[in-house]
Formats: sequence, C-alpha cells, structure tokens
Amino acid sequence: EIVLTQSPATLSLSPGARATLSCRASQSISNYLAWYQQKPGQPPRLLIYDASNRAAGIPARFTGSGSGTDFTLTISSLEPEDLAVYYCQQRFSLYSFGQGTKLEIK
Amino acid sequence: QVQLVESGGGVVQPGMSLRLTCAASGFTFSQYGMHWVRQAPGKGLEWLAVIWEDGTNIKYADSVKGRFTISRHNSDKTLYLQLNSLRAEDTAKYYCAKARYNSGDFDSWGQGTVVIVTS
Repeated sequence: EIVLTQSPATLSLSPGARATLSCRASQSISNYLAWYQQKPGQPPRLLIYDASNRAAGIPARFTGSGSGTDFTLTISSLEPEDLAVYYCQQRFSLYSFGQGTKLEIK
Repeated sequence: QVQLVESGGGVVQPGMSLRLTCAASGFTFSQYGMHWVRQAPGKGLEWLAVIWEDGTNIKYADSVKGRFTISRHNSDKTLYLQLNSLRAEDTAKYYCAKARYNSGDFDSWGQGTVVIVTS
C-alpha cells in the first residue's frame, strides 16, 4: 500500500501570498499524482493530474511539480476563494489519498 | 456537461445493507471507468472501488473488500455500490467519481450521498 503524507497539516497565509503544499509518497510513484481542492460543503475538484498538468478550467496560479516520491502544489498568489482542503492522490498502485492540507486565508 | 447524482444513502443499523446508485449524464458513460470514494465526517478522502468501462475489471480497497460490491449498467448510465455488513465506521458521505480518460484520476464528482450506521 502506498502511503501519501502531506505537509503542513494547516497553512495560514494572507491574500497575495505564495502557498507551497507538499506531498511525499512512501515509494516512487513516477508522476502518477493528482491534486484536488475541496471547499467547505463541496465535493473535491481535480486541479492537477500527472503531477504537473492543470485540469480544464483551473487558473494558472495553480502549479504542480515533482516526480518519484516528492511533489509540490504551488499557488502563486492566494485569492480568498482558495480557502479549502487540498488532497494529493496517487494512481501508481491502486489509489490512495493524502490526509489533506487545510489552507486558511488570513 | 458531466453530471453525477448519487442516491440511496440513509440511516441503518449495524449489519444491515444498502445499495447506492449514481446516475450519470453528459458523457459517454460506457467509455469511462468509475469510482466510489467516501469521506467520514470531518475526515479525509478514502478510495473504495473502481470498475472499468466494460465492467470486467474491478478493484477494491482492502477496507471494504468482501463487503462492498461495485457494478454498473452501461445501458442505463448507472453505477452502483452494494454495501453489506455495515459497521459504524462506514458512516460517511459516499461520492461517485468519473475517471479521467484512460487514467485513474477523478475528473468529475457527484455531490455525494450520506450513509449513517448506528444502533
């Protein structure tokens, strides 16, 4: 079973700041990693697939990077609507999610 | 546009069964894999099961293998999840999600249906 560990658990930043979210896999997963955004009361939304490809309609301020075991989601300039929990997910061996990073906007 | 609508949730006692349904529209259902994912109250996402396009390739998470059964009816554009021998820890919102083409990412999600297992 592949375990994904996200850090930090909570991130509190001001609008306009840069957010960096990390996801580490327990073994190499190549680039088979996706990122999702879940706003309060809503289902998750696919942001990034295959580590670095933005899904349809996702703003350019969301960028994914990494391969192997270490991955990063960067939000270049935070907007108030980016308040959400962000999950990473691997599809290298079955499927699993990280525990999430809660992004708070000051 | 893609629409996924789950139904069938409810309040049940431990040991009982439920069948969840996901009605799909806005895409060619028979050409995509479909997943079930759940989220316990205040917790993260847990992948449960996948069924690929023709229904012959199915995988489960260890946590539900042997108790839950995923199936699909392509002619009706419907996905199912049969939940048997329910436990308190199965209490969650259950989402169906569409696989991105030829991939295991989830590019569309329903709003979810809530299952509460309590005595």
